[in-house]
Amino acid sequence: GAGVSQTPSNKVTEKGKYVELRCDPISGHTALYWYRQSLGQGPEFLIYFQGTGAADDSGLPNDRFFAVRPEGSVSTLKIQRTERGDSAVYLCASSWTAGETQYFGPGTRLLVL
Amino acid sequence: GEDVEQSLFLSVREGDSSVINCTYTDSSSTYLYWYKQEPGAGLQLLTYIFSNMDMKQDQRLTVLLNKKDKHLSLRIADTQTGDSAIYFCAESTVNTGFQKLVFGTGTRLLVSP
Repeated sequence: GAGVSQTPSNKVTEKGKYVELRCDPISGHTALYWYRQSLGQGPEFLIYFQGTGAADDSGLPNDRFFAVRPEGSVSTLKIQRTERGDSAVYLCASSWTAGETQYFGPGTRLLVL
Repeated sequence: GEDVEQSLFLSVREGDSSVINCTYTDSSSTYLYWYKQEPGAGLQLLTYIFSNMDMKQDQRLTVLLNKKDKHLSLRIADTQTGDSAIYFCAESTVNTGFQKLVFGTGTRLLVSP
């Protein structure tokens, strides 16, 4: 069956621009997570959705970052006024429920020039 | 706070066994995971172990958990060149209501013919 998909696979933008990153979870998975992986590091938690609501956004670095999941399936991570330090791979994961194993997508590689 | 540490690099010959080690600090960890990441790809779940287990074997993979020392290891038997990748261990607790994964920095495994 289809796994987690993320688009675009690569995104190059200029400092100060706005970007949106999309995640399509595995069908039927109610829980969705965003992580950020900087070069040479392990992924770091950003935000968790249960259904449509952001149940934990404690990992978002600042208020330039925002994520939505309006219909409880697809999620969009939005970054305003991008900075060079936002360059990283943004990973999305989903699971059946909150306590279940997380399955990761291939990630979106964001480069801010 | 939570912290997960791994050695950065491991080199083995094809056919040998590989042992990748990980230490963690959160004594309330419920699950411990091993993920594999190949270049340009997302995270592939390899295996996981519950914190009340000492060992888990899955084909060529053996996970050992020493809860007293907070030490986790992944042994890959008969290592193949296709096993070359970065391996991440991750701990999680569900006391936040969901599995918030905390990853190590990853161990790069290089398998030479």
